[in-house]
Amino acid sequence: EADIYQTPRYLVIGTGKKITLECSQTMGHDKMYWYQQDPGMELHLIHYSYGVNSTEKGDLSSESTVSRIRTEHFPLTLESARPSHTSQYLCASSGFGKATYGYTFGSGTRLTVV
Amino acid sequence: AQTVTQSQPEMSVQEAETVTLSCTYDTSENNYYLFWYKQPPSRQMILVIRQEAYKQQNATENRFSVNFQKAAKSFSLKISDSQLGDTAMYFCAYSGAGSYQLTFGKGTKLSVIP
Repeated sequence: EADIYQTPRYLVIGTGKKITLECSQTMGHDKMYWYQQDPGMELHLIHYSYGVNSTEKGDLSSESTVSRIRTEHFPLTLESARPSHTSQYLCASSGFGKATYGYTFGSGTRLTVV
Repeated sequence: AQTVTQSQPEMSVQEAETVTLSCTYDTSENNYYLFWYKQPPSRQMILVIRQEAYKQQNATENRFSVNFQKAAKSFSLKISDSQLGDTAMYFCAYSGAGSYQLTFGKGTKLSVIP
């Protein structure tokens, strides 16, 4: 039973559309992360948040934006989707203190922009 | 900066056999944590095993065990009695004791052959 939920699971959308990928967790974790997973399956950190109203860009530059208005919710938005945004997006969270117990991951959203 | 290297992009193993996945890391820290994650096809990434660097004893979880060589900065995963359900991408990850983030390797794709 997942404690971190991502919706939708799959999304096919046309170029230029605005989309929001949802990520919610029920564990009360203060830290949340978004990763983009390329076709070779490598993980790239694109956004992270260490708490409410705190967001930072990750190592991989992304045209997406995120918000953290509530502890449990960390949505990712693309204002104008393009085919280059086609990818798998993984959301993760970690508990209080340092990341010494690792992350809990959601099931991912596979986005296809046509 | 810490780096994690998985030198085997793909591996295969016969069902019921044993396989070892390699991981090396680079760090100047003395206290840190290491992880192996499993990502089955189209399914959620889950934590397989965790090792604390200050513990000399190798971690074990049922059929999964690690060979942690701190001086060599090596952290390999051994899967015994391989099962078809072990087919997945496996990611090695590192977290410094003072860090909020994990550093991931590029992954090893493991196929278990019936």
